[in-house]
Amino acid sequence: QSVLTQPPSVSGAPGQRVTISCTGSSSNIGSGYDVHWYQQLPGSAPKLLIYTNTNRPSGVPDRFSGSRSGASASLAITGLQAEDEADYYCQSYDSSMRGAVFGGGTQLTIL
Amino acid sequence: QITLKESGPTLVKPTQTLTLTCTFSGFSLTTTGVGVGWIRQPPGKALEWLALIYWDDDKRYSPSLKSRLTITMDTSKNQVVLRMTNMDPVDTATYYCAHRRLGSGVVPSFDYWGQGTLVPVSS
Repeated sequence: QSVLTQPPSVSGAPGQRVTISCTGSSSNIGSGYDVHWYQQLPGSAPKLLIYTNTNRPSGVPDRFSGSRSGASASLAITGLQAEDEADYYCQSYDSSMRGAVFGGGTQLTIL
Repeated sequence: QITLKESGPTLVKPTQTLTLTCTFSGFSLTTTGVGVGWIRQPPGKALEWLALIYWDDDKRYSPSLKSRLTITMDTSKNQVVLRMTNMDPVDTATYYCAHRRLGSGVVPSFDYWGQGTLVPVSS
């Protein structure tokens, strides 16, 4: 069980907006550690989607956005497209575990 | 263009030592700030960070696996090697190596990933 909690699944229709939460604690996100987000398409390696809470690497559409508040972070996806169907992971650092940690992952289904 | 590729055995027996090699191009591990990490993913499960090596040979390990892991680099070959001792069937996973994004702080992010290599552990 990960120290970063994500909902196992979310879904939305094309064109809609969804958010994926990443809930941590005072030993990770709540201590101010940065959060990164990855997208993993079926059968592929993860891809960096958001780094340092809110930043998009070159080539990532602005439909994807990240935020952090308190001990939680969120990934928002607007204008859902079929190609967004994937697993999404948050990542941060945990001071009690003394290492990088990933969330349990969220499967996004496009209805 | 940055690329990474993992290589290793197609099957490992319980108690054996796993040796994985990450061969990369497009960057150098002699450049300040550069790092290469290893992350694994059991079938159908979440990602798990294992280890990270920096350009200055600083090494970081997952505390839960530290006693079993060794990460090294060979800058002349552009390779990073991960060794994991005493393999168990629960270690069956796809193992990825990844480039640490330059400018990452305490929390490294990984902007380029290898394709991964599936390592089954079975007798």
